[in-house]
Amino acid sequence: DVKVTQSSRYLVKRTGEKVFLECVQDMDHENMFWYRQDPGLGLRLIYFSYDVKMKEKGDIPEGYSVSREKKERFSLILESASTNQTSMYLCASSLSPGPVTYEQYFGPGTRLTVT
Amino acid sequence: GQNIDQPTEMTATEGAIVQINCTYQTSGFNGLFWYQQHAGEAPTFLSYNVLDGLEEKGRFSSFLSRSKGYSYLLLKELQMKDSASYLCAVGEDTNAGKSTFGDGTTLTVKP
Repeated sequence: DVKVTQSSRYLVKRTGEKVFLECVQDMDHENMFWYRQDPGLGLRLIYFSYDVKMKEKGDIPEGYSVSREKKERFSLILESASTNQTSMYLCASSLSPGPVTYEQYFGPGTRLTVT
Repeated sequence: GQNIDQPTEMTATEGAIVQINCTYQTSGFNGLFWYQQHAGEAPTFLSYNVLDGLEEKGRFSSFLSRSKGYSYLLLKELQMKDSASYLCAVGEDTNAGKSTFGDGTTLTVKP
């Protein structure tokens, strides 16, 4: 079974803090994704990566950065947390052998509250 | 870009059949996915269609018509545990494996 783990289920941070969210997958997937999910807004893609050290902006990258130094690990960084970044953050991974789009496997999510 | 529409909420009775529709308008298409998400949990993959027609998997079936930009998820013999949000997602025709997700349909199954 594919396993995607996230470093925390719940996190409370203060405005202005730098926040690191870690995601690890154990199935040697090439693609990794970071989403946030808010009521009424669905899943919105923040950043994704299709290879080590490669990253691409998603639909809402402002205020976020990412790092992928190893294939299995994809980190989301909130440079200076703000209250509007309070959300559920979901990490996902998928295979990428060629042009086929494969299903994504999601981690359990991190519910981040910024006060 | 991608535009995906699905109903916000549906209610059905235990033991019944329910059909959740999804329409999409996309600049590229590389398959259509359905995911299930229980409250407070992560989405899990249910089905994938890349060719027109019906794919059956136990109590769940998914249909695709590419010419109409239309898919549906059919749930038979509904159980209380089927109460969840169902997300329709369209795969993009890039090498990055991206999908665009609809906002989800919250299904409530009543006794």
